[in-house]
Amino acid sequence: GAVVSQHPSWVICKSGTSVKIECRSLDFQATTMFWYRQFPKQSLMLMATSNEGSKATYEQGVEKDKFLINHASLTLSTLTVTSAHPEDSSFYICSAIRPNSPLHFGNGTRLTVT
Amino acid sequence: AQSVTQLDSQVPVFEEAPVELRCNYSSSVSVYLFWYVQYPNQGLQLLLKYLSGSTLVKGINGFEAEFNKSQTSFHLRKPSVHISDTAEYFCAGLKAAGNKLTFGGGTRVLVKP
Repeated sequence: GAVVSQHPSWVICKSGTSVKIECRSLDFQATTMFWYRQFPKQSLMLMATSNEGSKATYEQGVEKDKFLINHASLTLSTLTVTSAHPEDSSFYICSAIRPNSPLHFGNGTRLTVT
Repeated sequence: AQSVTQLDSQVPVFEEAPVELRCNYSSSVSVYLFWYVQYPNQGLQLLLKYLSGSTLVKGINGFEAEFNKSQTSFHLRKPSVHISDTAEYFCAGLKAAGNKLTFGGGTRVLVKP
C-alpha cells in the first residue's frame, strides 16, 4: 500500500490566494522529504528539500518566499504556494526517504490557478 | 554534475511487442539508478533499481534493466507489452554521496492494440 500520502490530490484556487499541500509518511518517520514540480508533458524538477526541524533547502531559481515549506514533524511536510498565479498551475509531487528503501512518492497534487 | 538523459521522448509500440527505453547517465562517481512509471495524474511508482551487484535488474510488471558501466547506460526493457503499460517512464539517478534524485526527461510509451 501507499507509504506516502499527499493531500489534496487536486485543487482549484483563484489568483492571489494561497494553497497548502500536505505530504505525510504513513508508517515511517521521514527526516527528509522532497518537493517536485512537474509541468505538462515534462519531467520532474526538484524544488526543495524539506528537513524536519530546520529550514528547507531550495533549488536554484525557486522562490522560497513563494513556496513555503514547513516540516514540523517527522511525518508531515507542507508546501504552501503563496499568492498563487496561473503560471503556478502545475503538478506537485512529494517524496520521502524511508530507511533502507528507495524514495517513495506521493500521488501528486494538481494545482489549477484561475 | 550528474545528468540523466532519456533519448526517446515517445515510443509507440504494438501490444505484445518488445520495448526498450533508453537511458544514459553521466557521472564521475558511482551512482544508483532507478526506473519509475507514472500513470496519468498520479505519482511515481518504482519499477526497479540498481544499487550494486548484478548488472541485470529485474523489476515489477515484467520489466528489467541492464546497467552498463562502459556505455554509461541503464536501458529498460520488456519482452511483451500490454495496453496497461501505456504510461510515462522516468529514469533517475542518485549520487552515492547525496540524496537528490535527478530525473531524465521521461519517455511516453503508447501501446497500440
